Amino acid sequence: EIVLTQSPGTLSLSPGERATLSCRASQSVSSNYLAWYQQKPGQAPRLLIYGASSRATGIPDRFSGSGSGTDFTLTISRLEPEDFAVYYCQQYGRSPLTFGPGTKVNIK
Amino acid sequence: EVQVVESGGGLVQPGGSLRLSCSASGFTFSSYAMHWVRQAPGKGLEYVSSISGNGDSTYYADSVKGRFTISRDNSKNTLYLQMSSLRAEDTAVYYCVKGGDKIQNNWFDPWGQGTLVTVSS
Repeated sequence: EIVLTQSPGTLSLSPGERATLSCRASQSVSSNYLAWYQQKPGQAPRLLIYGASSRATGIPDRFSGSGSGTDFTLTISRLEPEDFAVYYCQQYGRSPLTFGPGTKVNIK
Repeated sequence: EVQVVESGGGLVQPGGSLRLSCSASGFTFSSYAMHWVRQAPGKGLEYVSSISGNGDSTYYADSVKGRFTISRDNSKNTLYLQMSSLRAEDTAVYYCVKGGDKIQNNWFDPWGQGTLVTVSS
């Protein structure tokens, strides 16, 4: 099983600042089959990034994904008020499909 | 619009059974893998189970293997999760999610609104 570790656990930032979230895999993720999801309180998760770096439909370009192999990053270039949420990474290249524990982005 | 809508959650006693349903629309249901993901109160996302488009292949997390059964009725565009021998630790919001038609696009999108399963006496 591929174990995903996300850091930091919590990130406290102000609107307009840049957020950098990390996702590290215990084994290489096949063909960069890695996705990022955003979840706001009381809502279902929403797909942000797939294939490590491709934005999903309707996702603003302030969200970007990068990385390969075992190290991946989600960057939010300038935080908007609606971006304060929990972010999860997921690998979908090898069963069982696994999620990271999440990074909570808080308003500072 | 691609949409998935869960139903069937509720309160069940430990050791009991429950069947969740997920109605899909807006895409060719039989062409896509489907998944169940759950989230215990205040916790992160936990993968539960997957089924291929034609229903021939299924996969389960170790935590539910032998107790949960995933299935689908492609004639009704509906996904199911039969849960038995339920435990308190199965208490969670259960999400139905559309996957891909091949591994290259098997990301999870969209997600349903979730249905709450509470296991308690």
